[in-house]
Amino acid sequence: SSELTQDPAVSVALGQTVRITCQGDSLRTNYATWYQQKPGQAPVRVIYGKNNRPSGIPDRFSGSSSGNTASLTITGAQAEDEADYYCNSRVSSGDPVVFGGGTKLTVL
Amino acid sequence: QVQLVQSGAEVKKPGASVKVSCKASGYIFSSYAISWVRQAPGQGLEWVGWISGYNGNRNYAQKFQGRVTMTTDTSTDTAYMELRSLRSDDTAVYYCARGMGTTADFDFWGQGTLVTASS
Repeated sequence: SSELTQDPAVSVALGQTVRITCQGDSLRTNYATWYQQKPGQAPVRVIYGKNNRPSGIPDRFSGSSSGNTASLTITGAQAEDEADYYCNSRVSSGDPVVFGGGTKLTVL
Repeated sequence: QVQLVQSGAEVKKPGASVKVSCKASGYIFSSYAISWVRQAPGQGLEWVGWISGYNGNRNYAQKFQGRVTMTTDTSTDTAYMELRSLRSDDTAVYYCARGMGTTADFDFWGQGTLVTASS
């Protein structure tokens, strides 16, 4: 399958740790890239490759992968982390790029 | 600094065509590809296709083949996406995004262009 599956919604208490997951067969051989999107704004890349953060992304964001599942972890979630999060990856069959359906993160 | 600046919002009637531009600056245009990604109102991100800034090679998502054409103008470092035979469900924000080669890793995004297909 060339799909990436994400939980539609996740919530976390302020200051706690949250993991957002992305599942798909393509993740067995390709890294996921993670994007944060706030309302009315373009997506912003937050994690790429094995576990790389672009300049300016806080170190509370980290990525990991195991088997067919990639994870984005926010350690000590802040109010400003409330956003939609999308994963994507390269796919070897069908369309070469696929996005997950997105996860809406609520910080309580 | 890297910037992708897109053209303004468009309103088109169903059946018409729309052409969106994406002007790049702050990097060597030919060293990267440009992908186009759309987002319907309240929905997720959907990859439309990509075009190489180096040689113009392109790859379109199956869903859009026959209706979309992506081009580049290397004299102005601008990428274009034309979508034809617009339908109401093409109403979306269209983003351009920079990627290295044929990876799915998009490091910089344009601000988005709202295309509305409505009679």
